Formats: sequence, structure tokens, C-alpha cells
Amino acid sequence: DAGITQSPRHKVTETGTPVTLRCHQTENHRYMYWYRQDPGHGLRLIHYSYGVKDTDKGEVSDGYSVSRSKTEDFLLTLESATSSQTSVYFCAISAGETGANVLTFGAGSRLTVL
Amino acid sequence: TQLLEQSPQFLSIQEGENLTVYCNSSSVFSSLQWYRQEPGEGPVLLVTVVTGGEVKKLKRLTFQFGDARKDSSLHITAAQPGDTGLYLCAGAQSGNTPLVFGKGTRLSVIA
Repeated sequence: DAGITQSPRHKVTETGTPVTLRCHQTENHRYMYWYRQDPGHGLRLIHYSYGVKDTDKGEVSDGYSVSRSKTEDFLLTLESATSSQTSVYFCAISAGETGANVLTFGAGSRLTVL
Repeated sequence: TQLLEQSPQFLSIQEGENLTVYCNSSSVFSSLQWYRQEPGEGPVLLVTVVTGGEVKKLKRLTFQFGDARKDSSLHITAAQPGDTGLYLCAGAQSGNTPLVFGKGTRLSVIA
């Protein structure tokens, strides 16, 4: 299996609380991504990173922030979780010099906001 | 606006039947990828197509990239229960932009 792990795998939290999801890779890949997957919407890009401290927004970035202080870790933070952020979150990595190369996905983090 | 439209959204067929899944767009893509996702797991890459008109085969799966690089299809011959899953197409409009995904086709193959 590719060296990409997400934690936690499952989390239940209450509206208004902060939540941080972690993505850790051992592949030394340059690009890292956070997607959310919802029924009827497919996979939508939240934020991505193209290097340490280099990040950019995706199509559904409102309410989310990210940080990448090391090559191997990409954190997704919900500052104040809302019920609309209940979803399955996938981290992905890519080795290519461009952002559109093959993605390797983690197993997902299922977040429920009550 | 969905950049990549997949059809059908759901497909339930009997083992041994053939099927085709479509991925269409009004935009040109530099490459298209197909992923398969099983419950509780992340998507896994099946194939990447980069040249207009390109056809790639992966055992019983045949992938085609449209001549104008705006669409792609996935054909499965003699489907098996192990083919059950969510099939996602994803495209890159240029080398520097992240992939955008279609909403997926959920395939169920009944033995």
C-alpha cells in the first residue's frame, strides 16, 4: 500500500467545535490534496498544497483552512464545525511536477457534525 | 456547474452483461483518468489517457479518450460481481491545475 495515512478515520463532534484532520505520507511527494465526498456531489477539492508552506484553495474552501509545515504532513482544520461539513474527507498525494498527475488516496476520514 | 458529467449515475446489471459508462464535458482536457472506489476505501487509479482518440485496455475494461479530448468512455465486457463499485472520471485542464472529478457511476453486478 502507498504510504499515506489519515487520522482520525472516524470522528463525531458537535457544531461549533474545532476539528483537525491529519494526512501523513511517507512517499516524499510534492503535492497533497484534501477532497470531500458527498452523495450527489462526488469528490470536490477543498485545498491543496504544492510544497511546504505553499497552499491554494479549491472549489469548496470556505470554512476550511490547511497547513503544511513539513513535506509529509498536510492538516485540514475546520475552525468551527457546522452540520454541512458532515462528510467523508479524502487526502491524496501526487508525485508529479505538475498538479495533475496520478493521485493516490488515503482511506478517508468520516466526520459527523451533530 | 459540473465540469465533467458522468452517465449513467447508477447501473445494475447481471453477471456476464456488457456495459459502457460515459464521461462528457464541453471543455478540453489535457488528460483524463478513471478511478474505481470500493466502499470504505479511497479511489484507486485504473488508467490515464492523454492523447485524443487513444484506446487503452485493462483486461475486460476498455477506455477511450475522445478525438477532441472532451469526453471518455469505459466499456466493461462480461461484467463480474468483482467489478461492483463506484467509477469516477477525473480530468486535468492543464498540467498545472488539480484534477476535477465527475460525480461517478455506481455499478452493481449481480451474480
